[in-house]
Amino acid sequence: NAGVTQTPKFQVLKTGQSMTLQCAQDMNHEYMSWYRQDPGMGLRLIHYSVGAGITDQGEVPNGYNVSRSTTEDFPLRLLSAAPSQTSVYFCASSGQGGKKKLFFGSGTQLSVL
Amino acid sequence: AQTVTQSQPEMSVQEAETVTLSCTYDTSENNYYLFWYKQPPSRQMILVIRQEAYKQQNATENRFSVNFQKAAKSFSLKISDSQLGDTAMYFCAFMTGAGSYQLTFGKGTKLSVIP
Repeated sequence: NAGVTQTPKFQVLKTGQSMTLQCAQDMNHEYMSWYRQDPGMGLRLIHYSVGAGITDQGEVPNGYNVSRSTTEDFPLRLLSAAPSQTSVYFCASSGQGGKKKLFFGSGTQLSVL
Repeated sequence: AQTVTQSQPEMSVQEAETVTLSCTYDTSENNYYLFWYKQPPSRQMILVIRQEAYKQQNATENRFSVNFQKAAKSFSLKISDSQLGDTAMYFCAFMTGAGSYQLTFGKGTKLSVIP
């Protein structure tokens, strides 16, 4: 059981480049989300999805795009990377129900030079 | 909007001793959930303990327990018999109960367990 899989684990970009952070889950979870973690800031919500075809913005959405064409995948796109997007990115998923437990991926360390 | 405050950026504890990490939150909701997550140097986010606001009984998970004071909006984590493997960042987090799965995190407390 793989859980939540994020790729790549590390990435270095130059300012202005674009890239996609991949996130896949094999638990048939309807809810998926992206967080970023900056030093001294905790984790902050970027975008989330409550099901295929449905996405919404979180606390810090600027500079990021998402789509949800399947239940399993929830990629995060940086259209024109900026140094301010240097961060650790986490994908998380959760199933319906009362437990409210989020399962996190192992994170992607992104550096924008 | 909800806010979560962790007032202790860093703490240390001797191995086998007990330590308490503080967390306060602000919300106008009555139905919500509170969590403590552990993040070791591996970077993995690990759920330590979970509390449902409508339950008066404090949650416990082995050596980890919480002191949930709903009126005071306080949610502290007590770690008993501290072990070297407890060294990590600890994040307090809030989630509303109204069909949401969005977490609001505090800034974290870095805990060091000293041999």
